[in-house]
Amino acid sequence: AQKITQTQPGMFVQEKEAVTLDCTYDTSDPSYGLFWYKQPSSGEMIFLIYQGSYDQQNATEGRYSLNFQKARKSANLVISASQLGDSAMYFCAMRETGAGGTSYGKLTFGQGTILTVHP
Amino acid sequence: DAMVIQNPRYQVTQFGKPVTLSCSQTLNHNVMYWYQQKSSQAPKLLFHYYDKDFNNEADTPDNFQSRRPNTSFCFLDIRSPGLGDAAMYLCATSRGAGENTEAFFGQGTRLTVV
Repeated sequence: AQKITQTQPGMFVQEKEAVTLDCTYDTSDPSYGLFWYKQPSSGEMIFLIYQGSYDQQNATEGRYSLNFQKARKSANLVISASQLGDSAMYFCAMRETGAGGTSYGKLTFGQGTILTVHP
Repeated sequence: DAMVIQNPRYQVTQFGKPVTLSCSQTLNHNVMYWYQQKSSQAPKLLFHYYDKDFNNEADTPDNFQSRRPNTSFCFLDIRSPGLGDAAMYLCATSRGAGENTEAFFGQGTRLTVV
């Protein structure tokens, strides 16, 4: 079963507008972390934001915020005031504790969403 | 300053000719990962080291091997590259493997097999 699902292969947004990138996840582990990474065409993975499963508040980092809905198992990334430099592939990822199982420490990625920001 | 460094950035190898990709880190992190990422796909974990303990993913082909001679360096060896092994290879590190630990990635090595 897919652990991380990003249903939007591509998204378009106008410069200065906000955009939401969807991410849903599946885990039975009570303790897990959710991450968003940006991957420009150069290939490097750039960490954007983190949300822990026990965090009561949604994470925010500058223009990035995470809309965490634990009961729905969703962790959508919101980018406010989009910039041309935001055009990239965006990956949602999850790390489970696994408690000694094979998933311990493993960072699993979704399929990614290509974001294009139009001027 | 780059904290996870992968060399080379671009590698061209011949079909069947062994190739080694390298990764070094200045973070003193105890966990190092190798991911394979094919075009427009999610990175796929090949294996990782937790200190000296090697953890191979069940579906990683035997053609892929790894070495970690010390904390700072980790190598990915592809014994007999096939055309299907052309991909971006990403190295990452983390301090521990808890659910809240961020992974730091290198810039990747783009492998072409001719």
